[in-house]
Amino acid sequence: DTAVSQTPKYLVTQMGNDKSIKCEQNLGHDTMYWYKQDSKKFLKIMFSYNNKELIINETVPNRFSPKSPDKAHLNLHINSLELGDSAVYFCASTMTSNYEQYFGPGTRLTVT
Amino acid sequence: QQQVKQSPQSLIVQKGGISIINCAYENTAFDYFPWYQQFPGKGPALLIAIRPDVSEKKEGRFTISFNKSAKQFSLHIMDSQPGDSATYFCAASPSGGTSYGKLTFGQGTILTVHP
Repeated sequence: DTAVSQTPKYLVTQMGNDKSIKCEQNLGHDTMYWYKQDSKKFLKIMFSYNNKELIINETVPNRFSPKSPDKAHLNLHINSLELGDSAVYFCASTMTSNYEQYFGPGTRLTVT
Repeated sequence: QQQVKQSPQSLIVQKGGISIINCAYENTAFDYFPWYQQFPGKGPALLIAIRPDVSEKKEGRFTISFNKSAKQFSLHIMDSQPGDSATYFCAASPSGGTSYGKLTFGQGTILTVHP
């Protein structure tokens, strides 16, 4: 059983387009995150949601908008895609009391 | 500003040897220190983690050593195996406040274990 899943796994699109990435966790966790891994493999947090409430919002362009319809889902919508948005985006989840974050398999976004 | 510095960038070890990866942090609010293992095309997987109330934690062949005064922690992989070849990331986060769960990652270490 997949604990944290993401769709799609690969996303190729042109500059200026709008795209969404979806994340679902079946671990019963109450906090979910989006991370970006760049071409040098550096991982950086973008957002976190706790019980559908935005908790962490790093310095991310406002073209990126996360949405959490419920505790098990966290989506990431990106408007007006730019070349620099090309990266692997990871979703992660945890229980507030636990600290252990579990990552999804990632979505490789390529903007051409 | 890089708050968690990881070294070395890459490491080559012979099968059966010991792999050692080091990390140093700056933020004294950090009090949770996990290590993640990432294989190509996969998400980071939690390997082992430590809190600052202990100086060492061991799980199988993996050991974290923690030095609070020096603000350093390290991962030791004993009896390294070719299957351990992966990228390893250290990370740190505070446990409270608005930055709860905000993992700050090191730059990663590419470990290659030769058979």
